[in-house]
Amino acid sequence: DTGVSQDPRHKITKRGQNVTFRCDPISEHNRLYWYRQTLGQGPEFLTYFQNEAQLEKSRLLSDRFSAERPKGSFSTLEIQRTEQGDSAMYLCASTRGAVTDTQYFGPGTRLTVL
Amino acid sequence: EDQVTQSPEALRLQEGESSSLNCSYTVSGLRGLFWYRQDPGKGPEFLFTLYSAGEEKEKERLKATLTKKESFLHITAPKPEDSATYLCAVPLQGGSEKLVFGKGTKLTVNP
Repeated sequence: DTGVSQDPRHKITKRGQNVTFRCDPISEHNRLYWYRQTLGQGPEFLTYFQNEAQLEKSRLLSDRFSAERPKGSFSTLEIQRTEQGDSAMYLCASTRGAVTDTQYFGPGTRLTVL
Repeated sequence: EDQVTQSPEALRLQEGESSSLNCSYTVSGLRGLFWYRQDPGKGPEFLFTLYSAGEEKEKERLKATLTKKESFLHITAPKPEDSATYLCAVPLQGGSEKLVFGKGTKLTVNP
């Protein structure tokens, strides 16, 4: 257990529905990252927060995706109008400082879009 | 162009049969290289960080080394519980705060 928690662990939804995932980072960590991982691939960067500010977003993060980190604590990732291509493992990681510091990952949320 | 390439994609070993996994990278001005272990259905688990060529780190049966173009994860006398996917990652060049992962090497150790 790294101290990073994610909820839910699994989510099955129908195409077109909205889903929201939550990540609770290690409490003293300022940075929080979201990644997406599909079968046979490494995690792909989606976005990151420094405290409550969202500082960088990937091109993978279409306008159907939105992330927040109110008060610089937990973060949520929402996917609107889900598509089958959104099926993946969504991972959250936190770190104390810069990208050169170790990122500690949560257990992930497995999303299946039917 | 892939900036992090791992080989082989999959590796099967017998228990006790030592081997090495490779991670080559093309980013310039390397700011660190990270190794993670990932079990099926779980998040990556941190193993090592290497920052400069010539650096080595060890943990149990694993040793990570770094050169100017690649890193190796040496596994000595592996056990079945070492079976997992091993991922390496580097920060993108140009001051970006993104971490770029390779596709991983799936290691299977047979008893």
